[in-house]
Amino acid sequence: SQQGEEDPQALSIQEGENATMNCSYKTSINNLQWYRQNSGRGLVHLILIRSNEREKHSGRLRVTLDTSKKSSSLLITASRAADTASYFCATGGNAGGTSYGKLTFGQGTILTVHP
Amino acid sequence: NAGVTQTPKFRVLKTGQSMTLLCAQDMNHEYMYWYRQDPGMGLRLIHYSVGEGTTAKGEVPDGYNVSRLKKQNFLLGLESAAPSQTSVYFCASSYLRYPFNNEQFFGPGTRLTVL
Repeated sequence: SQQGEEDPQALSIQEGENATMNCSYKTSINNLQWYRQNSGRGLVHLILIRSNEREKHSGRLRVTLDTSKKSSSLLITASRAADTASYFCATGGNAGGTSYGKLTFGQGTILTVHP
Repeated sequence: NAGVTQTPKFRVLKTGQSMTLLCAQDMNHEYMYWYRQDPGMGLRLIHYSVGEGTTAKGEVPDGYNVSRLKKQNFLLGLESAAPSQTSVYFCASSYLRYPFNNEQFFGPGTRLTVL
């Protein structure tokens, strides 16, 4: 069964606007990651936030994590047409533990940025 | 570095045929994974490996077998293909770093159609 549920399923915005995607999960986690997938391509890692962190930034990306609500959000600021892609959250455990680095992916959010 | 590569990129099989998908990584990663991606389902883990000579079942292992004879290669086999195995298959790898890690690096995918 899927761990992550993403919201919205699809998001359409204009270039320059901000895009916010949300992810909820069910069980306790060690870390949460966001990936991007361009059409017909493999997934690319964007950012990882650990369970003891609340917010993390990377360039135009801002990720928050609320472990009490079992939710995370990904904010892309000043979006560009090139940001058009599917975005997936993935929850993971400790690679040194029994989870062996396995990730459980959500269904993804399809982001379309119009020029 | 080529990263993670997958062979073949596309394949069409008839029901009952067999085939092997090859994944290779040149990053000296310990962990390797096979996923399938279906519309609206996100990625689901088929099998994974935590090192050379080891394999383990993921979420949807039925109908698939795997082998990891060399650290850099992870093979996914379909012994008797079924239409339900029509999907896009992704291989991924990750490194081992305590206590947090498991950012995964993905291959470009193999699109398989079973008629």
